[in-house]
Amino acid sequence: GQQLNQSPQSMFIQEGEDVSMNCTSSSIFNTWLWYKQEPGEGPVLLIALYKAGELTSNGRLTAQFGITRKDSFLNISASIPSDVGIYFCAGHRVSNYQLIWGAGTKLIIKP
Amino acid sequence: DGGITQSPKYLFRKEGQNVTLSCEQNLNHDAMYWYRQDPGQGLRLIYYSQIVNDFQKGDIAEGYSVSREKKESFPLTVTSAQKNPTAFYLCASSIAVNYGYTFGSGTRLTVV
Repeated sequence: GQQLNQSPQSMFIQEGEDVSMNCTSSSIFNTWLWYKQEPGEGPVLLIALYKAGELTSNGRLTAQFGITRKDSFLNISASIPSDVGIYFCAGHRVSNYQLIWGAGTKLIIKP
Repeated sequence: DGGITQSPKYLFRKEGQNVTLSCEQNLNHDAMYWYRQDPGQGLRLIYYSQIVNDFQKGDIAEGYSVSREKKESFPLTVTSAQKNPTAFYLCASSIAVNYGYTFGSGTRLTVV
């Protein structure tokens, strides 16, 4: 099935750094969702976006629904060790209600 | 507390056996989904159900079967026809098809 283009694939960061990741597509989306998955667990919803241009925060996390409806980004400010994990974007296309997933961004904190 | 429960957490299957993975939710969600995740990979949709007694194939349905006899339950059977069943299986539910999904904690299936 179709996937979103999520980048970067992985990130090595120092504690305290800001993090940015994004998802793009050639299709228009109705919703954008950002999830975090920790090893051996299911993904947990972090932020849901339902309107073009929408900017939503959840603590140190901020996500935006792109104005063209074809992209979204997630920022994490002042990263801490518990931020490590895999972050997935997902979205519902206008033409198909099925949820489309990115391949994930693996966040690793440098010791 | 409302949630979605998958069992067992770990499952071992012999070659040629069918196994059934359980998924139960008490969120009163209409839609339920099964995903497969391989190491270092994203999520691939196996089956989904929008309503009781109805379900649809996802991208990788071959070798799998499901049932949806109750709103709360959406069990997945991995049949002997699935040639490479070792993976992490995730069940999810949503209030409706255009909303965010709530996931269970997964079942790791290993063929021995």
